[in-house]
Amino acid sequence: EVRLVESGGGLVQPGRSLRLSCTASGITFNTQWMHWVRQPPGKGLVWVSRINGDASETRYADAVKGRFTISRDNAKSTVYLQMNSLTVDDTALYYCASPRFGGYFDYWGQGILVTVSS
Amino acid sequence: EIVMTQSPDTLSVSPGERATLSCRASESISSKLAWYQQKPGQAPRLLIYGASTRATGIPTRFSGSGSGTEFTLTISSLQSEDSAVYYCQHYNHWLWTFGQGTKVEIK
Repeated sequence: EVRLVESGGGLVQPGRSLRLSCTASGITFNTQWMHWVRQPPGKGLVWVSRINGDASETRYADAVKGRFTISRDNAKSTVYLQMNSLTVDDTALYYCASPRFGGYFDYWGQGILVTVSS
Repeated sequence: EIVMTQSPDTLSVSPGERATLSCRASESISSKLAWYQQKPGQAPRLLIYGASTRATGIPTRFSGSGSGTEFTLTISSLQSEDSAVYYCQHYNHWLWTFGQGTKVEIK
């Protein structure tokens, strides 16, 4: 059984930083592309970032480029999202997601809430 | 960025009836389209990929069609457990985008 478990969310003030983690099990982690997708309260899904298996390629949505950094530790089967200079618009449920083969997401974590507020 | 537009925003259907959801891409995405179902408090679940291939374990009442810019998700005989928000997503380009969602309600 594939499991993706996010952690590290919480309440943070605008301008501060937070690091999310997603630990995977049941998959061959070091070959898996890993993604972050977020969902603002009451709204739809928004793709945020992705990283390939050996961390040689990363991509970001324009809304987070230059502020967020995705990374991974294959020895720990964990992907990270370092979020800096947070704004209220970053408030969302953040999902870790992974495709088996293509660009669609077979596997999802349960989500972790990030609230940016003063 | 490819914009995905879903219609309608909300669909109210009686149990046993057919539900038809639409998704339009702002440019051609071939068949690189997926559909997801999201129930309250849950993560999205993959229903369809490649525009028409059902994911593992998805009931046969769910079907997808279309290519290019116009796509459809059909629930042939709506069940009470199908009450959810449905999202389309393209993967034709690395900048993945989702539609805004269609909420399916049971009448």
